[in-house]
Amino acid sequence: GENVEQHPSTLSVQEGDSAVIKCTYSDSASNYFPWYKQELGKRPQLIIDIRSNVGEKKDQRIAVTLNKTAKHFSLHITETQPEDSAVYFCAASMGNQFYFGTGTSLTVIP
Amino acid sequence: DVKVTQSSRYLVKRTGEKVFLECVQDMDHENMFWYRQDPGLGLRLIYFSYDVKMKEKGDIPEGYSVSREKKERFSLILESASTNQTSMYLCASSYRDSFAFGPGTRLTVT
Repeated sequence: GENVEQHPSTLSVQEGDSAVIKCTYSDSASNYFPWYKQELGKRPQLIIDIRSNVGEKKDQRIAVTLNKTAKHFSLHITETQPEDSAVYFCAASMGNQFYFGTGTSLTVIP
Repeated sequence: DVKVTQSSRYLVKRTGEKVFLECVQDMDHENMFWYRQDPGLGLRLIYFSYDVKMKEKGDIPEGYSVSREKKERFSLILESASTNQTSMYLCASSYRDSFAFGPGTRLTVT
């Protein structure tokens, strides 16, 4: 089956700096890569996603890049703000199944 | 928007008790999932179901069973709760690329 690895497990950045979270996947059949943000005590919520026919997608301060050859994808958050502090999960999907990374706890220091 | 609800936000049970966690989704999604979330371990799949009365084991099915008698409802059953099942349990549902989580049930087994 698919195996998704996510790094780093924890990340601290100063407010205004950029944050990058990286994930790798093992199965080249995976074709959909969503990212979820989980604030303390809340459910994970979809923040951005990318499909395998696209190399990059941007939504305001958040961007995701995908390298199909290397089987890795990354989340980029620019101009970080304290409200970006949360746990972020990447996922790889094919068909019915979603495979999650182990999460990155991001802390933005004011 | 998909709405996924879970029967309890917090639950405290004693060792050996039979525990039922209920999940309901209102968007006619084919697939439903149960995950447990533990610090440092991310989201681990317990069971999933791709149709009524169909179920598949995930990565950590031991000590759990599931029931899906109706399309909108997916139940997780702990036949004899143990302290190592203390965790956050997240239900989710999906159809194609649409994937949504429930609010979670924090279960404590004493």
